[in-house]
Amino acid sequence: NAGVTQTPKFQVLKTGQSMTLQCAQDMNHEYMSWYRQDPGMGLRLIHYSVGAGITDQGEVPNGYNVSRSTTEDFPLRLLSAAPSQTSVYFCASSPRGGGNTEAFFGQGTRLTVV
Amino acid sequence: AQSVTQPDIHITVSEGASLELRCNYSYGATPYLFWYVQSPGQGLQLLLKYFSGDTLVQGIKGFEAEFKRSQSSFNLRKPSVHWSDAAEYFCAINTGTASKLTFGTGTRLQVTL
Repeated sequence: NAGVTQTPKFQVLKTGQSMTLQCAQDMNHEYMSWYRQDPGMGLRLIHYSVGAGITDQGEVPNGYNVSRSTTEDFPLRLLSAAPSQTSVYFCASSPRGGGNTEAFFGQGTRLTVV
Repeated sequence: AQSVTQPDIHITVSEGASLELRCNYSYGATPYLFWYVQSPGQGLQLLLKYFSGDTLVQGIKGFEAEFKRSQSSFNLRKPSVHWSDAAEYFCAINTGTASKLTFGTGTRLQVTL
């Protein structure tokens, strides 16, 4: 069982370039989310989805777009990368909504914007 | 809005010593609480969680945590630390909808031999 799979694991972008971070889960989870991890700041929620076709903003959504066309996939798009988006990005999925549910995390994508 | 505070950025303990990592939260009702561990270059792994009931919860790898409502705390403990416990530990809170987690800033644990 693969769980939550993120690709790529590492990426270097030039300022202004665009790219998509991929996230796929094979657990048939309804809820998926993207977090970024920065030193001294923990993980902060970027966007989340409560099901196919439904997305919403988290704490730090600026500069990122998401869509959820299938239950399995939840890609994160950077339209015009900036150095401030250098971070480690984690995708997570949960079987249902509500607070009493565990989130399962991918291995992360380390992004550097130069 | 909810928040989580982990007051210790970095802790060093000797192998075999006991460990306590502090976590305080701010939320008006009883939250759902989690501890995650992140080994270098890895994703986050759930250690344990508190939803309701017994305030002392047991997790994986010999960890436990105690929910204290009066202190708004959810401290993580381990009686005897192993070198492989060196990692970063995150406390997180979920206050209800859409499985959105609010994380503390993390505590990096170093274990000396």
